[in-house]
Amino acid sequence: SQQGEEDPQALSIQEGENATMNCSYKTSINNLQWYRQNSGRGLVHLILIRSNEREKHSGRLRVTLDTSKKSSSLLITASRAADTASYFCATDASNTGNQFYFGTGTSLTVIP
Amino acid sequence: DTAVSQTPKYLVTQMGNDKSIKCEQNLGHDTMYWYKQDSKKFLKIMFSYNNKELIINETVPNRFSPKSPDKAHLNLHINSLELGDSAVYFCASSQGSLSGYTFGSGTRLTVV
Repeated sequence: SQQGEEDPQALSIQEGENATMNCSYKTSINNLQWYRQNSGRGLVHLILIRSNEREKHSGRLRVTLDTSKKSSSLLITASRAADTASYFCATDASNTGNQFYFGTGTSLTVIP
Repeated sequence: DTAVSQTPKYLVTQMGNDKSIKCEQNLGHDTMYWYKQDSKKFLKIMFSYNNKELIINETVPNRFSPKSPDKAHLNLHINSLELGDSAVYFCASSQGSLSGYTFGSGTRLTVV
């Protein structure tokens, strides 16, 4: 399926450290998105990167995309306790009618 | 103003009952979705509507029937509820393939 897979499944770091999460997918994509989900809440869109882009930044977030390896990474720099959440990647492909399929998520815990 | 609102937030019901979940978005988006998130946080697309027309219907039991009276509303009716239907159901909306999805806060359905 088009579903992405995040790695690691769970990550625990100290406040101030950087957190890196990875996403791998199986078929060629048009776009890839990252979302955050706080406990008991809906998902919040963080960033979208197109297949012809290699890197994007938004505040403390840095997303890279390597289409040759079919993978993406999300880096959160100088993490805060408020960054504790689950992070999901979502990918689309031309044969899915631009429908995005979500991965299984990385659960990030930032210890104050 | 809540962008994507869904009601109810919690729903506890017995097996065999019929229930509905309502979703409304005030963003003027053309496309709306229903996702099911299981206990392992896996998000699965169920339905997608574009301007009141069904465009995606994943492999979902026909006990689930979406209805979109207008492009701002997408409701989900579930007949003959089963234990396995217990999950968190998310409504979302988007505008175009390059915009992120805006999610509602979810409806936690528990079938007993």
